[in-house]
Amino acid sequence: EPEVTQTPSHQVTQMGQEVILRCVPISNHLYFYWYRQILGQKVEFLVSFYNNEISEKSEIFDDQFSVERPDGSNFTLKIRSTKLEDSAMYFCASSSPPGANVLTFGAGSRLTVL
Amino acid sequence: GQNIDQPTEMTATEGAIVQINCTYQTSGFNGLFWYQQHAGEAPTFLSYNVLDGLEEKGRFSSFLSRSKGYSYLLLKELQMKDSASYLCAVTNNDMRFGAGTRLTVKP
Repeated sequence: EPEVTQTPSHQVTQMGQEVILRCVPISNHLYFYWYRQILGQKVEFLVSFYNNEISEKSEIFDDQFSVERPDGSNFTLKIRSTKLEDSAMYFCASSSPPGANVLTFGAGSRLTVL
Repeated sequence: GQNIDQPTEMTATEGAIVQINCTYQTSGFNGLFWYQQHAGEAPTFLSYNVLDGLEEKGRFSSFLSRSKGYSYLLLKELQMKDSASYLCAVTNNDMRFGAGTRLTVKP
């Protein structure tokens, strides 16, 4: 069964450093998403991406964050100048409307900021 | 904006039936989803409702009333492996999740 793959599975970084989280969406999907989940809290929407541009973004997705599709397969989330409160699980997802816009999630990248 | 409410925790017995409710308020609506999330893992899709009524899928069923902003997920013949969080999510231009209901199935 097709799956969304994410790397790294776990990254530890120092406060103030930049982090890039990588995702390979399902190959025929057209819509890509990033969500985050702070430990013990809900899954929060960050951003959606379609046709090489951001479709929607939440209030969380400020200038510290950026997304890119550098080639035909990868979808990346960059977090600049990380803060302690950025520690969370970051999930990438992809979908292929029309019809039910079912999101398929990757296994997540756990980010720990020290 | 969006507001999605579901109970924080529920407990049920193996073999029983449990109903997890979700109420929502949203400025736009393109469908309601239920996802299952085991601890430390990614959410996995369970069901989708866009029209009023019941959708049945094996041991899982989901109901939607758009006029009431209400949905429930019904799990039958509970198994120990059903212990997980169940996330209600509403789509408008993007998908937003409720805080999830942590279900514990006891022997």
